[in-house]
Amino acid sequence: AQSVTQLDSHVSVSEGTPVLLRCNYSSSYSPSLFWYVQHPNKGLQLLLKYTSAATLVKGINGFEAEFKKSETSFHLTKPSAHMSDAAEYFCVVSDLLYTGGFKTIFGAGTRLFVKA
Amino acid sequence: EAQVTQNPRYLITVTGKKLTVTCSQNMNHEYMSWYRQDPGLGLRQIYYSMNVEVTDKGDVPEGYKVSRKEKRNFPLILESPSPNQTSLYFCASSPPTNEHTEAFFGQGTRLTVV
Repeated sequence: AQSVTQLDSHVSVSEGTPVLLRCNYSSSYSPSLFWYVQHPNKGLQLLLKYTSAATLVKGINGFEAEFKKSETSFHLTKPSAHMSDAAEYFCVVSDLLYTGGFKTIFGAGTRLFVKA
Repeated sequence: EAQVTQNPRYLITVTGKKLTVTCSQNMNHEYMSWYRQDPGLGLRQIYYSMNVEVTDKGDVPEGYKVSRKEKRNFPLILESPSPNQTSLYFCASSPPTNEHTEAFFGQGTRLTVV
C-alpha cells in the first residue's frame, strides 16, 4: 500500500541557511516521486520529479532531492533559503496501476518559514 | 497558454443546495482528477478520470459526483452539500496515463457550506 510521510509539519530557517524538508514513502511497486510547492492563495507548482532516472534530481529555484530506495526517502534540499521560498511543500508518490491509470498520494505538507 | 481553469474561485453556499464546480483544461490531457485540501491532511483525491466516459472513485468520494462527457471538461458536482465539505478544491490534469508525469493544477476553488 502507498503512503507518504512528511516528517515535519513546520520548518523554520533563516534566510541564507540550508533547507531540508523530509519525506519518507512506502510503495508496492516502482514509484514516481514529486515535490510540489504551494504559495499562499495559489495553486500547486511542480518543483521536481523522480521517475527512475538519476537518483539526484534538480528542480526549479535551486531545489534538489535525492531518491534513496534503501531508506525509502526523498528529502528536499536547498543550499541557501530565500524569503520567496516561504510556502507549503508537498511530497507526492505515484504508482502505476494494473488498470493502466496511476494512484497518487500526497503527504500532509510541510510549511516552510524563512526568517530575515 | 496551457492551463487548467476552475470556476468559481470562491463560493459560499447553504446546506443542501446543489452546486457544480467546473474544470477545463486546454492541453488535451486524458487524465483528470479532483482533490480536496484540508489543513494537516494534504490533498486527498475525490474522483479521477482516465478518459472520456471513464471515471472512478478516489480516496474520499462520498457526497460528490463527477462526469466526463468531453475530454477537456471534468465538473465536480455536490448534489446536497454539507458543512463537512467546506474545503479548498483542486482540479488537475495529466498527459496519457502510461507515463509517470506531473499533474497540472488549477488555481483552486474555496468552498464554504453554511
